[in-house]
Amino acid sequence: DIQMTQSPSSLSASVGDRVTITCRASQDISEYLAWFQQRPGKAPKSLIYLASSLQSGVPSRFSGSGYGTDFTLTINSLQPEDFATYYCQQYNFYPLTFGQGTRLEMK
Amino acid sequence: QVELVQSGAEVKKPGASVKVSCKTSGYSFTGYHIHWVRQAPGQGLEWMGWVNPNGGGTHYTEQFQGRVTMTSDTSITTAYMELSSLRSDDTAVYYCARDQGYQLLFLEFWGQGTLVSVSS
Repeated sequence: DIQMTQSPSSLSASVGDRVTITCRASQDISEYLAWFQQRPGKAPKSLIYLASSLQSGVPSRFSGSGYGTDFTLTINSLQPEDFATYYCQQYNFYPLTFGQGTRLEMK
Repeated sequence: QVELVQSGAEVKKPGASVKVSCKTSGYSFTGYHIHWVRQAPGQGLEWMGWVNPNGGGTHYTEQFQGRVTMTSDTSITTAYMELSSLRSDDTAVYYCARDQGYQLLFLEFWGQGTLVSVSS
C-alpha cells in the first residue's frame, strides 16, 4: 500500500496568516492527489483534486501543488472557518490511502 | 444539487451485522461509483471500497474482504454497505462518498456520516 505522510501533524496560526501543509507519498502517484478539510463532528469536504485543481465553490485562498511524491496545500490569509483538520489522499493506486491528518489550530 | 443522505446511528453487539444506507439525489446515479470510508473515534480516514451502481460491480480493500458487502438499488438511487462479524474496533463513523466519474476516483461529494457503535 502507498503510505501518505503529512507534516506537520499540527500547527498553530492566526487569522490572516499563510500556512503550508506538505504531503509525501511513498511512491510516485503522478498527479492523483486530493486534499480534504474536516471540521469537528462533520464529514470531510473536498478542496483540491489532481494536486492543484480547486473544487467548485472552494475559496481561492486555497491552492495545491506538486507531482510525483511531494505535494503541498497552501492557505493564504487564514479565515476563522479554516481552522480544521486537513487530509491528503492518493487515488492513483488501490487501496486509496489517506495521510494521517494535519490539525490547524488557532494561535 | 448533489446530495448523499445516510441512515441513522446504529448500536450493535459483537458478532452482529450492520447495514448502512446512502440515499443519493441530484445526479445520474448510475454514472458514478459510491465509495465507503470509515473513521474510528479520534482517528484518520480509512477507505473501504466502492460499488458501481451501473451493474453492481465492487472493489473492496483486502482488509474487509469477506466481511463487507456493498450494493446499490437503482430504483431508489440508494447505495448500501453491510459489515458482518462486527468487532469493537469496527466502532466508527462510516461515510459514503461519490467519486468524479469517468474512472476518476476523487471523492467529490460526501454523506453526513453514520456512527456505528459495537459494544457488548
